[in-house]
Amino acid sequence: GAVVSQHPSRVICKSGTSVKIECRSLDFQATTMFWYRQFPKQSLMLMATSNEGSKATYEQGVEKDKFLINHASLTLSTLTVTSAHPEDSSFYICSAPKTGGREKLFFGSGTQLSVL
Amino acid sequence: QQQVKQSPQSLIVQKGGISIINCAYENTAFDYFPWYQQFPGKGPALLIAIRPDVSEKKEGRFTISFNKSAKQFSLHIMDSQPGDSATYFCAASIAGTASKLTFGTGTRLQVTL
Repeated sequence: GAVVSQHPSRVICKSGTSVKIECRSLDFQATTMFWYRQFPKQSLMLMATSNEGSKATYEQGVEKDKFLINHASLTLSTLTVTSAHPEDSSFYICSAPKTGGREKLFFGSGTQLSVL
Repeated sequence: QQQVKQSPQSLIVQKGGISIINCAYENTAFDYFPWYQQFPGKGPALLIAIRPDVSEKKEGRFTISFNKSAKQFSLHIMDSQPGDSATYFCAASIAGTASKLTFGTGTRLQVTL
């Protein structure tokens, strides 16, 4: 089946530093990927839609300059949390839809970001 | 409205029992309704999904019931097992794609021995 790989699974960083999270579709191409944020015991909130070859589309209230998204190829999207602060600590999850037949959305395993 | 309301927030079921989780939506443009299972520290995994042209879909012990007129859908887990203990999210999307999902608030299921 389709697999979406997300790396790293866990990262601890100091306040003010930037952190890059990678999301790869392993056996299919994805022109679109999605980035979600999840706080403990809460639902997934869509942050942005990553579009291969063009700018990402951000949801209302998400800071574009804080969360930089790059979709450089058909199998890779990256989320960079710039100048991270403790309030950015969260579980970040990417997803990619696999088309062909009934479209399904596959999720990465998530990245737990802790900003000290 | 893009909201999907989910209940209950948490659920405790004995092994072998039936777990029932309910969701309701407002936006009649939604036409794809998946359920996801999430274990702690992991991303969600697709469990089962339904489109509004059918009222029920069953896959193994998991069944989705869909009531289009009431704008409600539910997940039934038959013969619940301790390994089913996880958080379950309903979701919905528009325009026949699974891509941009609106998630429910989640239900933490605990199946006891």
